[in-house]
Amino acid sequence: QVQLQESGPGLVKPSQTLSLTCTVSGDSISRGSYSWTWIRQPAGKGLEWIGRMYVTGSTHYKPSLNSRVGISVDTSKNQFTLNLSSVTAADTAIYYCARGRSGYGIVYYDSWGQGTLVTVSS
Amino acid sequence: QSVLTQPPSVSGAPGQRVSISCTGSSSNIGAFYDVHWYQQLPGRAPRLLICGNTDRPSGVPDRFSGSKSGTSASLVITGLQAEDEADYYCQSYDSSLTDLVFGTGTTVTVL
Repeated sequence: QVQLQESGPGLVKPSQTLSLTCTVSGDSISRGSYSWTWIRQPAGKGLEWIGRMYVTGSTHYKPSLNSRVGISVDTSKNQFTLNLSSVTAADTAIYYCARGRSGYGIVYYDSWGQGTLVTVSS
Repeated sequence: QSVLTQPPSVSGAPGQRVSISCTGSSSNIGAFYDVHWYQQLPGRAPRLLICGNTDRPSGVPDRFSGSKSGTSASLVITGLQAEDEADYYCQSYDSSLTDLVFGTGTTVTVL
């Protein structure tokens, strides 16, 4: 059974870049046509999709974040990474990595990491 | 503010039936995009509950069911149990926003 685990700094200063890594275990990140995704959730609020990538290199980001976000994959380490630049307090949230699957009209997320809290503060 | 609207909260006694709506528009649910549902227990990551409008992944109890009609979708819990206390989110795609979207979320309380 695949497992995902987020890691990275819990505190980031305003205007800096938030970087998080998701380590995938139990399956190869290169196998299948999965999409590897980041989703966030501000405290007490709903879920917000950030973006996804396929191991082919194809990416798709939330339009409102497109100028600040990047997702990359390291197949040798079975990891994928989120970079979010020029962060502000509004980027404070729990960040989840997730595996996306197709098979219906749109992707659904069948495996999630436990989430990691990132606070943007000086 | 999400383009998929859910009631903030619903409640029911153990054993009762509760329904959660997910209301969209012609650019998302009404445009024939599928709806998926997730359950988020307190302090936990979301868990896939329903995919493709009606399908339950392996391990999801059959008291959970989903449906879709027009510009709305619904999640029904039949035979509510204490462990069903959680937040529930619908998910679809919006062609106007060119964005994957989650619903506003609904908190289910077992009385």
